[in-house]
Amino acid sequence: ETGVTQTPRHLVMGMTNKKSLKCEQHLGHNAMYWYKQSAKKPLELMFVYSLEERVENNSVPSRFSPECPNSSHLFLHLHTLQPEDSALYLCASSQDIGGSGTDTQYFGPGTRLTVL
Amino acid sequence: AQSVTQPDIHITVSEGASLELRCNYSYGATPYLFWYVQSPGQGLQLLLKYFSGDTLVQGIKGFEAEFKRSQSSFNLRKPSVHWSDAAEYFCAVGASGGSYIPTFGRGTSLIVHP
Repeated sequence: ETGVTQTPRHLVMGMTNKKSLKCEQHLGHNAMYWYKQSAKKPLELMFVYSLEERVENNSVPSRFSPECPNSSHLFLHLHTLQPEDSALYLCASSQDIGGSGTDTQYFGPGTRLTVL
Repeated sequence: AQSVTQPDIHITVSEGASLELRCNYSYGATPYLFWYVQSPGQGLQLLLKYFSGDTLVQGIKGFEAEFKRSQSSFNLRKPSVHWSDAAEYFCAVGASGGSYIPTFGRGTSLIVHP
């Protein structure tokens, strides 16, 4: 399989559930990202990892917990979510985050999350 | 910090007509610019990117974009639109110094009439 894959593609959960989103990249990249995409709102960067180390966390509520066990895998652990957390969660990867701004991001298909 | 504006929320064109989607950026130095397309229920796919050199950039699916420094713009164009081009289009700007993560615009939704 090539590119960036995400599982599951769709997830419905109650507010008391605990679930995890998984992202895997097959591009040999060193950086991975979580974005939240809500209707009518700009893409929101949530977390950035470089070589398995978190380098950015954009004031995301603690009910979202990322994990990056290696440079190919990224997880987003979810617990006690709110209905307003319903959105498309996108994972992306890039070669590096070397500071040049030239690193192109490649996106997965996303996980459509619905919180009841 | 950089910012990007896509002034049009929706654009409607007829199949076979030409297309231009607008993107304006704000950044003090040379920006790095991207256009992505998102089909319904899918992730973002890179159409093209500009880092340096020729200001007219060719991308996939017959798209092109032109970097105009004087106008702080990076508009996306296609000479003849196909029904399959109906999607959401995002412009993004990356900084040549400082923040390394691109900033995305709000997107323009393209509707194609038969």
